[in-house]
Amino acid sequence: GAGVSQSPRYKVTKRGQDVALRCDPISGHVSLYWYRQALGQGPEFLTYFNYEAQQDKSGLPNDRFSAERPEGSISTLTIQRTEQRDSAMYRCASSEGQGAGELFFGEGSRLTVL
Amino acid sequence: KNQVEQSPQSLIILEGKNCTLQCNYTVSPFSNLRWYKQDTGRGPVSLTIMTFSENTKSNGRYTATLDADTKQSSLHITASQLSDSASYICVVSSLSTGYALNFGKGTSLLVTP
Repeated sequence: GAGVSQSPRYKVTKRGQDVALRCDPISGHVSLYWYRQALGQGPEFLTYFNYEAQQDKSGLPNDRFSAERPEGSISTLTIQRTEQRDSAMYRCASSEGQGAGELFFGEGSRLTVL
Repeated sequence: KNQVEQSPQSLIILEGKNCTLQCNYTVSPFSNLRWYKQDTGRGPVSLTIMTFSENTKSNGRYTATLDADTKQSSLHITASQLSDSASYICVVSSLSTGYALNFGKGTSLLVTP
């Protein structure tokens, strides 16, 4: 695609529900990063992939969070049993090379947990 | 743990004035350092990317410096405009396996008339 696409753009869910956020990177981009940003706060790195391999998941807050990129393209970030503190903007970025070159960011998925 | 620290956390300046934002990091081994501008509600937009061998890089009124020895970078904004009001984020890439990204928490800049 022309850019990094994320869906849904907005998600409102009740506490305890599971949510899945999708990131469709620019075609051919090797690296894909997930991070989140609470309102008024700086970004918080979550995890990233090179191809289909998850390189670092140390930023995932707890075991309710998981991510996958099974075919090295589209990635899904899943949050199980959501809590109010999970409310944030979840952003995805991709780059053509591993850690090098321009990062292209998606518009983000705004998650609100009631 | 690799860290990226930005200062100040927030800054208010008058239109037309200059300002300098700081980014100190402990990321090692270092790959590159990026500065991004993020308008409220929008995704980050790249300002500069600097590698180990680059000391200064300019993009219009934005000039970034890098001292890889002291692990410090600065972003200097000249003749600020109201549209410069945004968050400025420093991102440092590590040469560790897979080239991890390390995000600073950003500096919030407000330019007032």
